[in-house]
Order: sequence, then C-alpha cells, then structure tokens
Amino acid sequence: DAGVIQSPRHEVTEMGQEVTLRCKPISGHDYLFWYRQTMMRGLELLIYFNNNVPIDDSGMPEDRFSAKMPNASFSTLKIQPSEPRDSAVYFCASSPLQGAAYNEQFFGPGTRLTVL
Amino acid sequence: AQTVTQSQPEMSVQEAETVTLSCTYDTSESDYYLFWYKQPPSRQMILVIRQEAYKQQNATENRFSVNFQKAAKSFSLKISDSQLGDAAMYFCAYRRSATNKLIFGTGTLLAVQP
Repeated sequence: DAGVIQSPRHEVTEMGQEVTLRCKPISGHDYLFWYRQTMMRGLELLIYFNNNVPIDDSGMPEDRFSAKMPNASFSTLKIQPSEPRDSAVYFCASSPLQGAAYNEQFFGPGTRLTVL
Repeated sequence: AQTVTQSQPEMSVQEAETVTLSCTYDTSESDYYLFWYKQPPSRQMILVIRQEAYKQQNATENRFSVNFQKAAKSFSLKISDSQLGDAAMYFCAYRRSATNKLIFGTGTLLAVQP
C-alpha cells in the first residue's frame, strides 16, 4: 500500500493567492482528516469526513478555508485568500471504519505551506 | 473539553539508556484511547503505541512501553535501550471512543546522545 499521499510537499505563495492542497487516502479507508501543525498551536484537527461527507468542521479557522471530498479517493483543502498566518504544515490522515478496534489514523507526509 | 498535557518540551537520553516521557490528560469520559506518535525530522507522523482505557494491562511494543494510570489520568511512554533513530518529536494523543477526533499534546523533543 502506498499510504496516504499528499501534494504538493512544499508550497510557497504570496498573500492573497488561492492555495489548494490535495490528499489521496489509503484505499478502503472510510475516514479522512485534515490537520494543521504550527509551532504556536501544535497539531489541530481542522475537519474530518466519513464516507466523503464532512462530519466535523469545527476546527476550520475561518471562511477562507474550505475542504471537499468529491469521492473516496480524493480530498482538497483550499485557502482563499491566503495570509501569512496560514503558514504551517498541513497533514492529511485516513482511518478505517469505526468498527476497527483502534481505528488508527495513518498520516500522510504533510504539505509545508509558506505564505509570503 | 478534553486536554492533553506534555510538560517536558525537551528530553535527552544516552544511547542504550532508558527514558520516560510524561503525558497527562483531562477527560470526564470512561471509554477512550490513548496514543503515542513519533514525528522524526522527515515530519512523518508514526504511531508508536496505543492503549485502550478499559484495559488495565500496560501496552508494550518491543522497546516501547507505557505506564497507564487511569485514576491519575497519566500515560507515560518508556523507551528502553534508546537508539539514535529514536530521536524525534513525540506526541501524546487522546481519542474519545465515540468519535474519531484525536487531541494532541504539544510534544516532547527527544534527543539521543551517542
């Protein structure tokens, strides 16, 4: 299995530009998560999906952030317009059905976003 | 709200020695899971060990073991025979059984001295 795939690995953009981060979860996993990691706030859950449906988006910081999951194998996190304070590492993770005892989350390699 | 606290921002250990990383959490739930994740410089998050709250027996994975004290809401990680490859940031995490939301601590940066 290739694991969770994220692209791009690094993104540098200018303030005001639109940024789209992409994620391909592990095949067969029902849950997909988007996290943000910063020095100040640590690892925060932004949103998660179950069977392509957003379940909890209470961690999304503001309306500039949006996430979609059009099918079971693809998700995007979009920031429009981007701001310097959005600079962070963004992780995508996936996990199998709730019924699995531990429901372990498998993380992707992350996207390091720098907004100038 | 549930919180996870890691009071040691940095730790250091000599190669082949044993080190213990601390974690405490706050919850009113009785059914939950606890995890330790490792994040090396590559920044990939790797699950090290996990513990179900209803199990009294402490989890063990090779050189990694936990000391789970449910009443004290403490979940420490012990690394035995430390290796250079153990150098990383270690995160403690909590998940209530009824949800999939992981709540992370702030992390402990572990250095392994040769």
